[in-house]
Amino acid sequence: GAVVSQHPSRVICKSGTSVKIECRSLDFQATTMFWYRQFPKKSLMLMATSNEGSKATYEQGVEKDKFLINHASLTLSTLTVTSAHPEDSSFYICSARRQGGYTEAFFGQGTRLTVV
Amino acid sequence: AQSVTQPDIHITVSEGASLELRCNYSYGATPYLFWYVQSPGQGLQLLLKYFSGDTLVQGIKGFEAEFKRSQSSFNLRKPSVHWSDAAEYFCAVGPPNAGGTSYGKLTFGQGTILTVHP
Repeated sequence: GAVVSQHPSRVICKSGTSVKIECRSLDFQATTMFWYRQFPKKSLMLMATSNEGSKATYEQGVEKDKFLINHASLTLSTLTVTSAHPEDSSFYICSARRQGGYTEAFFGQGTRLTVV
Repeated sequence: AQSVTQPDIHITVSEGASLELRCNYSYGATPYLFWYVQSPGQGLQLLLKYFSGDTLVQGIKGFEAEFKRSQSSFNLRKPSVHWSDAAEYFCAVGPPNAGGTSYGKLTFGQGTILTVHP
């Protein structure tokens, strides 16, 4: 199977600090990863598309300086929420697209971020 | 712009009853179509997907979905619901071009919460 792992699954941080979320494809290489955000009782909204070795492409309205995305290898993308505020509290989910081939993107288990 | 509509925010059914969750989409071409299930605090599990071919798609856990091009719909069905099916269900669409740079980028519906009564 294609397994995508996110870490941490839950994190609580103080307002003003930064927090990093990792998304790893465990058994395949992922040229592209996607980061979604899910507000309480809402759907998932795509934040950005992360391509290995290049800059991420952000969706309209997403602050690229606040949500830093790095995709340094074919198995790891990171999302750093900088200077976090309570309104950044949310559920963040990544998905990874397999290099080559023709399959859907596979989702991680998500990270619950709470900013206090 | 593409969009996905799940008209029912919350559905309640009795265990053993049949289920249909509605999904309508707006897209320039026939997209790839997906149904995911999410349990509270968990990630997404793929139930089934449609890329092309037979319009009736079988998925895991006894779910099926039917693609109807004329209605731009992809409704999810299950003949007999189990209490463990209680969760939130998301319909999603993605670009149909294999290998395209946006492949795998999904647009989600608002979700339908399913409650199952014993």
